[in-house]
Amino acid sequence: AQTVTQSQPEMSVQEAETVTLSCTYDTSESNYYLFWYKQPPSRQMILVIRQEAYKQQNATENRFSVNFQKAAKSFSLKISDSQLGDTAMYFCAFMKPGGSQGNLIFGKGTKLSVKP
Amino acid sequence: DAGVIQSPRHEVTEMGQEVTLRCKPISGHNSLFWYRQTMMRGLELLIYFNNNVPIDDSGMPEDRFSAKMPNASFSTLKIQPSEPRDSAVYFCASSPPGNGELFFGEGSRLTVL
Repeated sequence: AQTVTQSQPEMSVQEAETVTLSCTYDTSESNYYLFWYKQPPSRQMILVIRQEAYKQQNATENRFSVNFQKAAKSFSLKISDSQLGDTAMYFCAFMKPGGSQGNLIFGKGTKLSVKP
Repeated sequence: DAGVIQSPRHEVTEMGQEVTLRCKPISGHNSLFWYRQTMMRGLELLIYFNNNVPIDDSGMPEDRFSAKMPNASFSTLKIQPSEPRDSAVYFCASSPPGNGELFFGEGSRLTVL
């Protein structure tokens, strides 16, 4: 069975600084998707970034980028120029494509606090 | 687009009462998911539908939980009878065809006293 591990329950960063959130996963699949979701205090889950395992290039979305290391089964999220609005829970998630489309397996989350 | 719409946003009920949570997915999405979020267990998939048909309900905790999707624009998650350990935030999410991205609603916070 696939598992997703986020080893940092809480992190904090100063505004405008850079922070990296860690995520590792375990799977025997060769093709899959990885996601980072953000859950602000408003509670709604918002997709931050996604990565297809067959793509070697790391995904980037504005200030958010990932370091995808397939052999190491690592998928970390880097947030550059942190903003107060980045304060939220961040969840790493794994999905195997095909019959279980959309069946995301989530990590326990990392609570990020951006301090002014 | 209005996004995934869930109701109610908050529900407080007493043990033994029936609870019904509702979800309207995004128009055109063909998959719908019910997740439960607790501090102890994180986010867990309860059930998901594809084209209104339940595909995987292995996450439904027990027979007290049931879910239906009578049409493409509406789904319910029912708990009968409710217990205090059912207290959680329940999320509904939908996904378009061929796309792995899930779009979540704002969740329904259930408190069972």
